Amino acid sequence: AAGVIQSPRHLIKEKRETATLKCYPIPRHDTVYWYQQGPGQDPQFLISFYEKMQSDKGSIPDRFSAQQFSDYHSELNMSSLELGDSALYFCASSLFGSREGNEQYFGPGTRLTVT
Amino acid sequence: TQLLEQSPQFLSIQEGENLTVYCNSSSVFSSLQWYRQEPGEGPVLLVTVVTGGEVKKLKRLTFQFGDARKDSSLHITAAQPGDTGLYLCAGLFSGTYKYIFGTGTRLKVLA
Repeated sequence: AAGVIQSPRHLIKEKRETATLKCYPIPRHDTVYWYQQGPGQDPQFLISFYEKMQSDKGSIPDRFSAQQFSDYHSELNMSSLELGDSALYFCASSLFGSREGNEQYFGPGTRLTVT
Repeated sequence: TQLLEQSPQFLSIQEGENLTVYCNSSSVFSSLQWYRQEPGEGPVLLVTVVTGGEVKKLKRLTFQFGDARKDSSLHITAAQPGDTGLYLCAGLFSGTYKYIFGTGTRLKVLA
């Protein structure tokens, strides 16, 4: 079965640069979530989109923005990168209103390293 | 403020032992999910519980959702080294699209 696809898998950037992370949800899924996971920490919710509209917002810095496109893929744009932005970034997708309470399925993650 | 507390945080046991991981909150969730995560990989969904008092079994894993939908437990019978990993619970608040993750339980099963 198709899973959530994230690209790139690894990204190295310098401070103050920008980065764009991409997420392709499971086919037919209409909701996308972005999470940030630092070393030894649990995933922290950043933002979510349902049907191309922002549905919820978590601890996403103002330097970050995201959107969901007409084909339901999503991009997380990160500007003025800081050392503290180094983390694993996960995308998850779900089908809103599914019988099992909007189960979310995670992608393999993008490891961002800011030097 | 961490809304979902997991216990224990760390657990190291011998192969064949049983264990229970708890996920507790003062908030009511419309659904709660359990994940297992390997280092450097995305969390893998194990189960979703929706109804208060619900019990679900997945081979040697038994999941229970509290009657009030504020807490959940994961019980592993006869643990195996392959069960080693980070176990995360995540709760969904009614009327939101935001999942809150628990603090995680790092399990190590020794052969």
